[in-house]
Amino acid sequence: KAGVTQTPRYLIKTRGQQVTLSCSPISGHRSVSWYQQTPGQGLQFLFEYFSETQRNKGNFPGRFSGRQFSNSRSEMNVSTLELGDSALYLCASSLMAPDGYTFGSGTRLTVV
Amino acid sequence: GIQVEQSPPDLILQEGANSTLRCNFSDSVNNLQWFHQNPWGQLINLFYIPSGTKQNGRLSATTVATERYSLLYISSSQTTDSGVYFCAVDVYAGKSTFGDGTTLTVKP
Repeated sequence: KAGVTQTPRYLIKTRGQQVTLSCSPISGHRSVSWYQQTPGQGLQFLFEYFSETQRNKGNFPGRFSGRQFSNSRSEMNVSTLELGDSALYLCASSLMAPDGYTFGSGTRLTVV
Repeated sequence: GIQVEQSPPDLILQEGANSTLRCNFSDSVNNLQWFHQNPWGQLINLFYIPSGTKQNGRLSATTVATERYSLLYISSSQTTDSGVYFCAVDVYAGKSTFGDGTTLTVKP
């Protein structure tokens, strides 16, 4: 079966712009979580959605937001990009958390 | 929040050697997983193991939840085992806290 699909794989944006990343979970999975990975901070939790509702949120500024659609696909948005937002953004899905997560390949965002 | 500590931070082995990676966590958890991050950044799920012992080929893992630690064993290591190994725990459903990882280098 198809895994977790993240698009795009790579992005280059300019400071001040906004960006939207997409995550399509494994079919039937209703929980989608987002993580940011940087060399300095490691892997940090952004937020988690279950059945279109945000259940958990990490310690990130309001510039980071997300949503989940009725087909469980999720998007995250970062507004007013800063250089420090350059990172690998990873999405994970599970059938029902906590039940084991499957991660996508990630979106590598570079802010210049 | 919960603290997750992995040791050692770096490990260099010769091909064929065995190794043990450790993950300590500071509170009771609902979920614990081990991941291997490949050179392209993808996290590969190795084990979902909130308690007990599991084995998959040359890899095995044990979690002692009452003592708040987990161990990942790699036997007869291969160069393809190189990469970063992460332990991740959940206190709340859907929210994982990751350790800093162990970087494993296996030399031929």
